[in-house]
Amino acid sequence: EDQVTQSPEALRLQEGESSSLNCSYTVSGLRGLFWYRQDPGKGPEFLFTLYSAGEEKEKERLKATLTKKESFLHITAPKPEDSATYLCAVQAWGQNFVFGPGTRLSVLP
Amino acid sequence: KAGVTQTPRYLIKTRGQQVTLSCSPISGHRSVSWYQQTPGQGLQFLFEYFSETQRNKGNFPGRFSGRQFSNSRSEMNVSTLELGDSALYLCASSLSGPPNTEAFFGQGTRLTVV
Repeated sequence: EDQVTQSPEALRLQEGESSSLNCSYTVSGLRGLFWYRQDPGKGPEFLFTLYSAGEEKEKERLKATLTKKESFLHITAPKPEDSATYLCAVQAWGQNFVFGPGTRLSVLP
Repeated sequence: KAGVTQTPRYLIKTRGQQVTLSCSPISGHRSVSWYQQTPGQGLQFLFEYFSETQRNKGNFPGRFSGRQFSNSRSEMNVSTLELGDSALYLCASSLSGPPNTEAFFGQGTRLTVV
C-alpha cells in the first residue's frame, strides 16, 4: 500500500531562519511526487512536481529535492507570508494521489 | 483563465439528509477528482472522473457517489449523511488525470452535518 509521512508535524521559524520539511514515501512505481501549499480554509495550491531521484526544482524561497525514498522542501530565509500547511503527495502509475498529513509552518516576524 | 470553481462554499445539513456538491473544472480540463479533508484523516481520495466515466475510486462507502457531465462539470452526492461526513470536500481538475499532469484544486465546500 502506498504511504506518505511528513515531518515535522509543525514547525515554527523566525523570519529569515532557513529550514527543511521532509516527506518520506513508499510507493510501487513512482510516477511523480507533488508539493502543495494550503492556507486555512482554502484548497491546496500546486507548487512542484518531481519525477525522478536527483531532480530539484525552485520557486522563490522554496526548493524541492527528491531521492528514492524521500523529498525535502527547503525554505530559505522565510517570510511570514510563507506560513501555511505544506502537503506532499505521491502518485503511482495509473493511480491517484496519496497525500501525506502535512507540515504546518509558522514564520514569525 | 478561471480556476476550479466549487459550489456552494458552505453547507449545513442534518443527519440523514443528502447533499449534492458541484465542481466546474478549469476550461479544457477533462479529469475531475474529489477528495475529503478532515483534521484527523487528512486528504483522502474519493473518486476520479474522466470523460463522464469513473476511472478510479477510493475506499468510501456507497453513500458517496459522483458523476461527470459532457462539459466536464462534476457533482458528488452524499446520501444519508452522518456526523462523520463533516469535512472540507475538495475538487481537483487536470488535463487528462493520472498518469499525466498536475492537479489544480478548488477552494472546497465546507460541509457541516448536525
